[in-house]
Amino acid sequence: NAGVTQTPKFRVLKTGQSMTLLCAQDMNHEYMYWYRQDPGMGLRLIHYSVGEGTTAKGEVPDGYNVSRLKKQNFLLGLESAAPSQTSVYFCASGTGVPSYAFFGQGTRLTVV
Amino acid sequence: SQQGEEDPQALSIQEGENATMNCSYKTSINNLQWYRQNSGRGLVHLILIRSNEREKHSGRLRVTLDTSKKSSSLLITASRAADTASYFCATDASGGSEKLVFGKGTKLTVNP
Repeated sequence: NAGVTQTPKFRVLKTGQSMTLLCAQDMNHEYMYWYRQDPGMGLRLIHYSVGEGTTAKGEVPDGYNVSRLKKQNFLLGLESAAPSQTSVYFCASGTGVPSYAFFGQGTRLTVV
Repeated sequence: SQQGEEDPQALSIQEGENATMNCSYKTSINNLQWYRQNSGRGLVHLILIRSNEREKHSGRLRVTLDTSKKSSSLLITASRAADTASYFCATDASGGSEKLVFGKGTKLTVNP
């Protein structure tokens, strides 16, 4: 049972490049989340989804887009990467509040 | 802005001692959760306490919730070197919020 899988695990981008981070879960969870983690800032919610075909903004959505075309996948896109988006990105899934969230292992993204 | 704020930011203790971490939040909540993150890994849920509960235990973990003070504490008893990690509280605001919002975390070091 894989749980929550994030792809890729590491990536270096040049400023202005685009990329998509993939999150896949095999637990049939309705809710999925994207967070970023920066030193001293904890985890900040970027976007989330409460079901297939739905997305909503979190605390820091600017510069990111998301899509949830299939229930098991939640994609995070950076259209034009900036150095300020250098971070560790975590995806999580769950059955919705009040339940636990299950996290992936993270994607370390560096924008130079 | 982030819902939960952990205190202290860092805590260093000796093996066998108890560790207490606190979390304060700003708005009314439905539930409060505690998570653990080992260095370089994703978060793992520890315990969930509902807004109508005052205390909950799980093994060496004890969580209290005081909704009048908008605060929670996590007590780890008889700490071990393997408890070294960062600990985060997460809340979902009452009123139907679907967001799971994390604090900045407490970095716990347990010295052998």
